[in-house]
Amino acid sequence: GAGVSQTPSNKVTEKGKYVELRCDPISGHTALYWYRQSLGQGPEFLIYFQGTGAADDSGLPNDRFFAVRPEGSVSTLKIQRTERGDSAVYLCASSLTGSGVGNEQFFGPGTRLTVL
Amino acid sequence: AQSVTQLDSHVSVSEGTPVLLRCNYSSSYSPSLFWYVQHPNKGLQLLLKYTSAATLVKGINGFEAEFKKSETSFHLTKPSAHMSDAAEYFCVVSGWEGYIPTFGRGTSLIVHP
Repeated sequence: GAGVSQTPSNKVTEKGKYVELRCDPISGHTALYWYRQSLGQGPEFLIYFQGTGAADDSGLPNDRFFAVRPEGSVSTLKIQRTERGDSAVYLCASSLTGSGVGNEQFFGPGTRLTVL
Repeated sequence: AQSVTQLDSHVSVSEGTPVLLRCNYSSSYSPSLFWYVQHPNKGLQLLLKYTSAATLVKGINGFEAEFKKSETSFHLTKPSAHMSDAAEYFCVVSGWEGYIPTFGRGTSLIVHP
C-alpha cells in the first residue's frame, strides 16, 4: 500500500497478558517511530528506529515495553504483563531518512489498545 | 531541550469566519516546526512545515502559519473555516540536531454552522 499501515486496528486484552502491535511503514523509509497517545493528549514518543537498530528508545516507559525491526521494514511493539494504564492509541510513523530536520513523518491510523 | 505549548485546548468558530490556533515553542537550536491535523478515527496528516526557509508557510486546505522567532510562535491560521476543518490540531517542534519531534497537547477546533 501507499501509506503506513498498523494492525490490529483495535486490541482488547486482559490485565497481565502479552500483546504485539505491528507497523508496516512506507516502502523505502528507513526511519520508523512509535508513539503513544492517551485521551486528550498529544502523541508521546516511545522509540525511534533507523534501519534495523533502535537509535533512541528513551521514551519507552519501562522494561515491559520492547520493539523490534529485524529487517529494517516492519516493526513490532511488544508489551508484556499489560496494565490498565497501558490503554491508549499506539501510533506508528515513518519518514524517508529520519536524520536531519524537516523530514516529514507519515503516520499510520493507530492501534487502539484497551486493557481490561 | 525543546517544548511546545498550544495555548488553547479548544477553539470554537462559526463557519466562514477566520481560524487562529496558537502555538509557542522553546528550542535550544534552530527549530523545524510542523502542524498536523487529526480527524476522528483517522491518522495524523501534515498540514504544513517550517524548515528555515520562508517564515510564512502555506499548507494544504487553505491553512498557513507564520514563524516569528522574536515571539517564539508558530500560529496556524485560515481565513474562512469550513465544517470539514473540525478536528484536533497538533503543533510539533523538532530541532536541527534532534530528530525526535515533540508534540503539543493539541487544540480541538469546533466549527459551528
